[in-house]
Amino acid sequence: QSVLTQASSASGTPGQRVIISCSGSSSNVGSNTVNWYQQVPGMAPKLLIYSNDQRLSGVPDRFSASKSGSSASLAISGLQSDDEAHYFCASWDDSLNVVFGGGTKVTVL
Amino acid sequence: QVQLQESGPGLVEPSETLSLTCTVSGGSISNYYWSWIRQPPGKGLEWIGYVYYTRTTKYNPSLKSRATISIDTSKNQFSLRLNSVTAADTAFYYCARSNGYNPAFHYWGQGPLVTVSS
Repeated sequence: QSVLTQASSASGTPGQRVIISCSGSSSNVGSNTVNWYQQVPGMAPKLLIYSNDQRLSGVPDRFSASKSGSSASLAISGLQSDDEAHYFCASWDDSLNVVFGGGTKVTVL
Repeated sequence: QVQLQESGPGLVEPSETLSLTCTVSGGSISNYYWSWIRQPPGKGLEWIGYVYYTRTTKYNPSLKSRATISIDTSKNQFSLRLNSVTAADTAFYYCARSNGYNPAFHYWGQGPLVTVSS
């Protein structure tokens, strides 16, 4: 049972926009920044977005993120086949702990 | 280019201690936070804890004090010991670097699978 809540799956056709949500509480997402990771099978997670909405250098601008209150979201525009992966959100919790979302598997139809 | 490489046994017996070392190359171990994160096969990510280069540590309370993370700045290495392991500790174990306690892990190791079994 993950502290941050994510839908288990999302899908879209090539070119579509997919939005992944991450719901937390006042002790984590509500008071700390959110980071987003992409993980393809067999590989380590890769940081995409840090500090709520900052794209890591080299990450396509098709990826964008935002935060409002205790929820955050990651949007993938112009969906491509190599976007198929698991996406995780992560935040610091004021209980002195790092918390992750359970992950959303994005499928390109 | 900063690289992290985990090393240690891939098989540990129940009730024994899991020990892993992460070697950092391409950069200094100083001035960063170094974490261990694990992922059971097919499941999500769980943060185990971090060590700062000053040897300050913080752990996930859910591990109930079974974890110890240490650092050796002279060798550019940091290590994890997890005692009293059970099958539930079977997972891919990643070492990772962040600039602060905020979990923005810019660099990760490959994450070997450690299996707990007799």
